Amino acid sequence: DAGVIQSPRHEVTEMGQEVTLRCKPISGHDYLFWYRQTMMRGLELLIYFNNNVPIDDSGMPEDRFSAKMPNASFSTLKIQPSEPRDSAVYFCASSKDRRPLTDTQYFGPGTRLTVL
Amino acid sequence: DQQVKQNSPSLSVQEGRISILNCDYTNSMFDYFLWYKKYPAEGPTFLISISSIKDKNEDGRFTVFLNKSAKHLSLHIVPSQPGDSAVYFCAATNNAGGTSYGKLTFGQGTILTVHP
Repeated sequence: DAGVIQSPRHEVTEMGQEVTLRCKPISGHDYLFWYRQTMMRGLELLIYFNNNVPIDDSGMPEDRFSAKMPNASFSTLKIQPSEPRDSAVYFCASSKDRRPLTDTQYFGPGTRLTVL
Repeated sequence: DQQVKQNSPSLSVQEGRISILNCDYTNSMFDYFLWYKKYPAEGPTFLISISSIKDKNEDGRFTVFLNKSAKHLSLHIVPSQPGDSAVYFCAATNNAGGTSYGKLTFGQGTILTVHP
């Protein structure tokens, strides 16, 4: 099993540019989560999907952020336009629906985003 | 509003001694708590969890203690090893269901360094 795959691993862009982060969850997993890690706030949940449907996007910081899951094997997180304060490590995680759910989240290696 | 707080950004311990990492939470609805471990350039991995019906859970060198009245949990590592050097995240959730099901709230993380 390849685990959760994220691309790119590093992204450097200039303020105002569009950024798209990609995630391939573990095959057979029902849930997909997008997190952001910063020094000040640690790991924050941005949005999560169940069976490709967004369930909770209350963590998405503002309208510049959007996420999609067109099928069970692919999700994107888009920032448009990007700003320097978006610089962080973005993680994708997936899990299988079993109780308790929470100790079965598998994280990808993350994408380190730097917005200049 | 940080509902889960890890007030110690870092901890340094000698090999063979005990490491104690602390975590406080404010949301009374949390009923399940987890610790994740993160190495550089990798995603967090699940370490150990505890339900609110228990006050202790042990797994090898790792023990998590929960004090519900104080809304406090701690992770003990005995004995500490250099390979334990990593960032440790405390997380909490409500497993009762509804829209919060599966949603993890993380702390800021504590960097543990174990010296040989």
